[in-house]
Amino acid sequence: DTEVTQTPKHLVMGMTNKKSLKCEQHMGHRAMYWYKQKAKKPPELMFVYSYEKLSINESVPSRFSPECPNSSLLNLHLHALQPEDSALYLCASSQEGVPGTSLADQYFGPGTRLTVT
Amino acid sequence: AQKVTQAQTEISVVEKEDVTLDCVYETRDTTYYLFWYKQPPSGELVFLIRRNSFDEQNEISGRYSWNFQKSTSSFNFTITASQVVDSAVYFCALSEQTGANNLFFGTGTRLTVIP
Repeated sequence: DTEVTQTPKHLVMGMTNKKSLKCEQHMGHRAMYWYKQKAKKPPELMFVYSYEKLSINESVPSRFSPECPNSSLLNLHLHALQPEDSALYLCASSQEGVPGTSLADQYFGPGTRLTVT
Repeated sequence: AQKVTQAQTEISVVEKEDVTLDCVYETRDTTYYLFWYKQPPSGELVFLIRRNSFDEQNEISGRYSWNFQKSTSSFNFTITASQVVDSAVYFCALSEQTGANNLFFGTGTRLTVIP
C-alpha cells in the first residue's frame, strides 16, 4: 500500500478564517513533507518532519503552522491567509533511509486545492 | 546551487508516437539523485524513477526508458508508443547528498497525447 491520503480535496476560505489540511499515511514512513504548488509551477518544499519532529522549515510565513501529532498524521493549520496563498498543497512521505535508496523515495498524496478569497 | 531545466514547456504527439522529455541539471555535489514524477490532471505526483549519480546505467520499464548521461548532465525520459493516458505534466527533480530530503523540481513538461 503506497497511499498517502489528503483531506479535504478542495477548500475555499476567507482571509480571516482558520482551517486545517490533513494528511495521513499507513506505510510506516517516518518522514512527512508539505509542498506548495502554484498553478503551472513546480512543487516547492515547505516543511519536513522526521520522526515527528520538524527538521526543515523553508522560511514559510507563520500563517502556515504544521503539526505532526503522530507518525501517520500531518496537519497544516492555516490562519489569516492571503489570496496569493491559493495553490495546490501536496503532502508526501518517505522512510527515513539512506538517500538514494528506495527507502528515501517520496510518495505524494493527491493534494488539497486551496482557494483564498 | 542546484538547478533543473526542462526546456520543453509543452509537447503534443499523436498516439503511438515516441516522445522524449529532456532534463538538464546542475549541481556541485558529487553525489546526487535524479527523479522523474508524473502529475496527471488529478494532481497527485506519481513517482516514476530514481537514478543515483554513481549509476549511469540506462533503464527500461515497459514503454518507459531513461537515459542518464553525466557527461552532459542530462537525464532524459522517453515514452515509446505513447497513449492518451500518458497525458500529464512530467517533472524532473534533483536532490543532493547534503539535504537529501529536499526535492528540487524542474518547471515541468506538459505532454498531450492526441488520439
